[in-house]
Amino acid sequence: ETGVTQSPTHLIKTRGQQVTLRCSSQSGHNTVSWYQQALGQGPQFIFQYYREEENGRGNFPPRFSGLQFPNYSSELNVNALELDDSALYLCASSGGISGQETQYFGPGTRLLVL
Amino acid sequence: SQKIEQNSEALNIQEGKTATLTCNYTNYSPAYLQWYRQDPGRGPVFLLLIRENEKEKRKERLKVTFDTTLKQSLFHITASQPADSATYLCALSNSGGSNYKLTFGKGTLLTVNP
Repeated sequence: ETGVTQSPTHLIKTRGQQVTLRCSSQSGHNTVSWYQQALGQGPQFIFQYYREEENGRGNFPPRFSGLQFPNYSSELNVNALELDDSALYLCASSGGISGQETQYFGPGTRLLVL
Repeated sequence: SQKIEQNSEALNIQEGKTATLTCNYTNYSPAYLQWYRQDPGRGPVFLLLIRENEKEKRKERLKVTFDTTLKQSLFHITASQPADSATYLCALSNSGGSNYKLTFGKGTLLTVNP
């Protein structure tokens, strides 16, 4: 059973640029959630995708967008990058959208915006 | 607005002692409360989930209590070991479905000294 993988592991961008982060969910999982974790903070929920549709969104502006593909892998896109977007971006997969589903997290992508 | 507080940013204890971490929340009626462990540079790893109608849950050396009247959860690690040193995150979730959301606290950094 393959765990959750994310790419790239690290990324450096400048303000105003756009970035795409990728996540492969664990085998058999149809749900992917994205989180932003700033240094010294807990993860903050960005949004969740269930069977290719957005299912729930946190308090993030529209320049944060995503996709889920038929194989349930997912992308997080961030446009017009700001310095405050520097953080660890975590992807988590689960077997459904029940609140009691265990979230399996990937190692994260560390994004630095200069 | 919803708020989750974990009692201290850092906790240091001696090997063999019991570590007790606290999670308090306001303006939330969670259906589930979860605890995760996060090591530096890694994604969180699920440890335990407790439902709103459960008082206590155990798993090996771990014990979680959930008091919905006090709006508080306690997380205990008995016979602590240096390998238990990590950041521990408390997370609340609703029942899920179309309004799924998982909300994390900032975490408590536990250091177990040999």
